Amino acid sequence: QKEVEQDPGPLSVPEGAIVSLNCTYSNSAFQYFMWYRQYSRKGPELLMYTYSSGNKEDGRFTAQVDKSSKYISLFIRDSQPSDSATYLCAMSSNTGGFKTIFGAGTRLFVKA
Amino acid sequence: GAVVSQHPSRVICKSGTSVKIECRSLDFQATTMFWYRQFPKQSLMLMATSNEGSKATYEQGVEKDKFLINHASLTLSTLTVTSAHPEDSSFYICSATADSPEQPQHFGDGTRLSIL
Repeated sequence: QKEVEQDPGPLSVPEGAIVSLNCTYSNSAFQYFMWYRQYSRKGPELLMYTYSSGNKEDGRFTAQVDKSSKYISLFIRDSQPSDSATYLCAMSSNTGGFKTIFGAGTRLFVKA
Repeated sequence: GAVVSQHPSRVICKSGTSVKIECRSLDFQATTMFWYRQFPKQSLMLMATSNEGSKATYEQGVEKDKFLINHASLTLSTLTVTSAHPEDSSFYICSATADSPEQPQHFGDGTRLSIL
């Protein structure tokens, strides 16, 4: 079993839809959770960074962490064609020496 | 803030050539830098972790004599692919963290390496 599971997709939605991207994990020690967006042939760009459980909102993006279920989500409201990219979840813990574990990434296509 | 610059963005060279890739943190001091390799439609594969002034720590299966990493300053790390062969063709990405280790990694834009 992988430490972090993420559905690779692809996920295709119409413009304006609410997108839900998810990851599950097995290591309950993870404390720091990140979401990255990666466009084709580019490096990942940090979108959201949260510590422990709870929600964090930034513009059209909302990150949720449910540590009891070992489940994290990224919601994108009013999705745009420019949101089409691969989204990677990532997580780390101090007990793991802060080594960051990445999900496989979900490819998202937003159709105009 | 937290900008990481990677150069060059694209390299095409003949088999047997050594290739150097630079990774710079532009607006912060990077205590730790990371080098990843990414194959098409796959996630990031960590190759090595480097701290300024010390030897890099390589992941299992990564040849340290093949992939030389130097982290000479708090703003610069280099990856040299020595005697590159076609199987080394890939997308190489660096990242860096500032200050404390729980801070998230910030990535460069990657280098696409093609060995003919």
